[in-house]
Amino acid sequence: GDSVTQMEGPVTLSEEAFLTINCTYTATGYPSLFWYVQYPGEGLQLLLKATKADDKGSNKGFEATYRKETTSFHLEKGSVQVSDSAVYFCALSDLWYNQGGKLIFGQGTELSVKP
Amino acid sequence: NAGVTQTPKFRILKIGQSMTLQCTQDMNHNYMYWYRQDPGMGLKLIYYSVGAGITDKGEVPNGYNVSRSTTEDFPLRLELAAPSQTSVYFCASSSGTANQPQHFGDGTRLSIL
Repeated sequence: GDSVTQMEGPVTLSEEAFLTINCTYTATGYPSLFWYVQYPGEGLQLLLKATKADDKGSNKGFEATYRKETTSFHLEKGSVQVSDSAVYFCALSDLWYNQGGKLIFGQGTELSVKP
Repeated sequence: NAGVTQTPKFRILKIGQSMTLQCTQDMNHNYMYWYRQDPGMGLKLIYYSVGAGITDKGEVPNGYNVSRSTTEDFPLRLELAAPSQTSVYFCASSSGTANQPQHFGDGTRLSIL
């Protein structure tokens, strides 16, 4: 079945450092890919998305490119801030084989940014 | 701009008790979902619904029940609460197309003692 694998956390960075969180997936069909962010005590919020191969999603300085050849959707940010401290989830949705628009989540990567 | 609203935010139950977690959305979304999030884990789908009167099991449905009598509401029922059901529960909704995101509530933190 479909699955998502993320790099393990926690990840600790200094402010203004470069961030990469790796995400790879397996899917039968043609999935859409998402990054969600969860701030402490809150629900998940959509950070960015990409719906087909070579699409780049971007938001708030974060970027991720849908790479079909490597089945990856790595999250990057050039200069992190303390306010980026949160848990980040990679997810896919594959309507071709997955009725109901269900999301398959990775296990989440906790990011902690120190001043 | 309410979005998805979950109640209660916190609850402590005794083993064997039952309760209903409430979820309502004001975006006229047909699709709704219940997830549980255990520490250090991703979200696991409990049940989902593609419209009023239609529900289906997700990955971890045992010990739970749902109903969907209206588009807006999707309550989750726990019967005979067990310690293994201690978790944070999230409700979400979406329009149902693959390139549209799910919108999440703030969660219900449930402890079974």
